[in-house]
Amino acid sequence: GQQLNQSPQSMFIQEGEDVSMNCTSSSIFNTWLWYKQEPGEGPVLLIALYKAGELTSNGRLTAQFGITRKDSFLNISASIPSDVGIYFCAGGDYGGSQGNLIFGKGTKLSVKP
Amino acid sequence: GAGVSQTPSNKVTEKGKYVELRCDPISGHTALYWYRQSLGQGPEFLIYFQGTGAADDSGLPNDRFFAVRPEGSVSTLKIQRTERGDSAVYLCASSSGGPKYFGPGTRLTVL
Repeated sequence: GQQLNQSPQSMFIQEGEDVSMNCTSSSIFNTWLWYKQEPGEGPVLLIALYKAGELTSNGRLTAQFGITRKDSFLNISASIPSDVGIYFCAGGDYGGSQGNLIFGKGTKLSVKP
Repeated sequence: GAGVSQTPSNKVTEKGKYVELRCDPISGHTALYWYRQSLGQGPEFLIYFQGTGAADDSGLPNDRFFAVRPEGSVSTLKIQRTERGDSAVYLCASSSGGPKYFGPGTRLTVL
């Protein structure tokens, strides 16, 4: 099925460093969502974006909905060991509730203490 | 419970067998979704329910896959004549007019 282009595929960083990852699509989306998944668990919602240009923060996490509606990025500031996991972007056609989401392949984050 | 729950957490079956996977959504959530996640991939949409009816089943890969939600709450994903390629984590999510919240998934292994 269709998937978004998410990069980088993986990141190995030192604790305390900032992290940036992004997602691009050839299609326009009306909703962008960022999820984190840990081994054996389902994805956990981090940030939801509903408006082009929107910039939203959740603690040390900041995400933006691109103006073109074809991209989004997620920044994590001052990383800590518990940030380890796989981060997925997801685009939706509607308000995030109707219809299906298209997911990226994920960015695997490793944090060295 | 507070979140989406799925049972069983793991299911091992033999090729050709029939399996049922269950999802209990967050109480009061009218929308329920099934996704499938293969190793190293993001989740892929299978089917979406609004209440008791399937509003979008365009992601079901073939007619061996079927899902029901008879009372608008619990849903069951049914897979007939399982194949080795059906091995994956099957995720359920629910929502109430906002973002989707996922359960922990059922890991299906077809031998």
